[in-house]
Amino acid sequence: DADVTQTPRNRITKTGKRIMLECSQTKGHDRMYWYRQDPGLGLRLIYYSFDVKDINKGEISDGYSVSRQAQAKFSLSLESAIPNQTALYFCATSPLGAGEGTDTQYFGPGTRLTVL
Amino acid sequence: GDSVTQMEGPVTLSEEAFLTINCTYTATGYPSLFWYVQYPGEGLQLLLKATKADDKGSNKGFEATYRKETTSFHLEKGSVQVSDSAVYFCALSKSSNSGYALNFGKGTSLLVTP
Repeated sequence: DADVTQTPRNRITKTGKRIMLECSQTKGHDRMYWYRQDPGLGLRLIYYSFDVKDINKGEISDGYSVSRQAQAKFSLSLESAIPNQTALYFCATSPLGAGEGTDTQYFGPGTRLTVL
Repeated sequence: GDSVTQMEGPVTLSEEAFLTINCTYTATGYPSLFWYVQYPGEGLQLLLKATKADDKGSNKGFEATYRKETTSFHLEKGSVQVSDSAVYFCALSKSSNSGYALNFGKGTSLLVTP
């Protein structure tokens, strides 16, 4: 089984709809991240969380919100989807601390979201 | 702010050709440097990394050396295979308020033909 899973894998929705993307991990990591990938732009950080009580905005948080329901679960919501939020969304995790390996992130398979 | 610049693709090579994908970075302090690979339809996987100057990361025949004097982390492979066709991302990470959030380049698409 994959260590980092994302649901759904694909989603088509309409402008104005509320959408939730879910991420679960079995790696036991404390840190979790949401990125979006757009062609030619690489990955950009939306939100990140160090533990269930810690949520932080990333580079492009406008139009998004997140919820850290448990150490293993981190959800991304689009309250009112718009077409320029059409992208590939990735969840990632990393271990807490400052030692060897703590700077490495592990990615889920991605969710392809299309907003019409 | 910190940033990563990598060569634009797509790069098309014949099987067994030599591969170089250039990556340079701008950062204060001492970042760790990474290459991630994204195979078609999949998420990103760590390919290799280096955490300090002159370190060489290597994996699956790929290598990259952390060059602080030229702020570079170029990816190389001596003989590419069709299965290496993927998008390659250079990234940096350093301790900050966001933990170790990655700062990515835009990605370089590689196509290897038989």
